[in-house]
Amino acid sequence: GAGVSQTPSNKVTEKGKYVELRCDPISGHTALYWYRQSLGQGPEFLIYFQGTGAADDSGLPNDRFFAVRPEGSVSTLKIQRTERGDSAVYLCASSLSGGYAEQYFGPGTRLTVT
Amino acid sequence: GQQVMQIPQYQHVQEGEDFTTYCNSSTTLSNIQWYKQRPGGHPVFLIQLVKSGEVKKQKRLTFQFGEAKKNSSLHITATQTTDVGTYFCAGFVLYSGGGADGLTFGKGTHLIIQP
Repeated sequence: GAGVSQTPSNKVTEKGKYVELRCDPISGHTALYWYRQSLGQGPEFLIYFQGTGAADDSGLPNDRFFAVRPEGSVSTLKIQRTERGDSAVYLCASSLSGGYAEQYFGPGTRLTVT
Repeated sequence: GQQVMQIPQYQHVQEGEDFTTYCNSSTTLSNIQWYKQRPGGHPVFLIQLVKSGEVKKQKRLTFQFGEAKKNSSLHITATQTTDVGTYFCAGFVLYSGGGADGLTFGKGTHLIIQP
């Protein structure tokens, strides 16, 4: 079946603007994760959803970042008042049940803040 | 900052040589997962180790989890050009007050193979 999909693949925005990044997980996967990967670094955990609720948002860097998953499938990561330091690849992953289950990553959205 | 460290950061090998990357955590890990990321690609799950001292093999790849569950290694025998990429270890770090539900990744080891 289809893997995790993310849109857009690339996003260029000006400093101070608002952006939304979308993730469509594998059908039937209850767990959804957002990570951020900067050049030369490993993915950095942002937030984890189990179903519709954010089970762990301890990785969100500040209150400019927010994510939702209203129907337990598609998720949107929202970034307000973007800063140049927000530039990175934003990766979404899903897993069947959460916990220690294998995570399947999407292709990512490359965000560039100018 | 990151709690999981990996060395080396870069490794150049001749095709056919062996390769090893090491992963160390400052805190006990509940488990460890290994991912591979090809240039321009996204992380792809390779394996998970859960038990203290566990060793698992996948063809030319051997994965080990330390007895104290604080370190791990990935060894590739007789590298091939298809092994090129960045290898990440990742674990669920058990912080005081409860562990995070997301994976903590190391910085990765970039494997470069010279034919």
